[in-house]
Amino acid sequence: KAGVTQTPRYLIKTRGQQVTLSCSPISGHRSVSWYQQTPGQGLQFLFEYFSETQRNKGNFPGRFSGRQFSNSRSEMNVSTLELGDSALYLCASSLEGFPDTQYFGPGTRLTVL
Amino acid sequence: AQKITQTQPGMFVQEKEAVTLDCTYDTSDQSYGLFWYKQPSSGEMIFLIYQGSYDEQNATEGRYSLNFQKARKSANLVISASQLGDSAMYFCAMSYNAGNNRKLIWGLGTSLAVNP
Repeated sequence: KAGVTQTPRYLIKTRGQQVTLSCSPISGHRSVSWYQQTPGQGLQFLFEYFSETQRNKGNFPGRFSGRQFSNSRSEMNVSTLELGDSALYLCASSLEGFPDTQYFGPGTRLTVL
Repeated sequence: AQKITQTQPGMFVQEKEAVTLDCTYDTSDQSYGLFWYKQPSSGEMIFLIYQGSYDEQNATEGRYSLNFQKARKSANLVISASQLGDSAMYFCAMSYNAGNNRKLIWGLGTSLAVNP
């Protein structure tokens, strides 16, 4: 089975712009979760989607949003980028749903200048 | 409040030796789960092992075992016969119930370097 894929792998944006990241889960997995990873804060949970519905949400501002399509692919959008949004964004898919055993993608490294 | 603590920012081990990575947790819930993940420099987080709070036996997966001491609230990862490819960041995580939702919190990780 193909693993979790994330595109793009690297992204450079400037403050105020918006960005959309994409994640394709393992075939058959209906749960997709998103995380932000920074050296100072570690791994922070953003949200989980299951069968196109947001089922779980972390403590991030409304600038962070997501959606899931009928084929389980998920997108995450960050509007009005800030310098502090520079991070590695990881996507994970799960067969049983968050927070059970998750399979992660390679991440998207976002740099905000 | 729920909390995960990994007290070792960095560890070194000689190839072929065993190493223990510490993880302590704090929760008042009876039902919770403990995970260990590995993150190589490539960035991808890799699931290693899981222990449920009601599991009486320590979980094992190949060279990985989880030393679960419930009374001490510790869930240490033991890697036997270390290999160069084990050099990575290791994260401990805990799942728990929060109302109708389930949550997952992560430790800050331990960087493991395996020396040849």
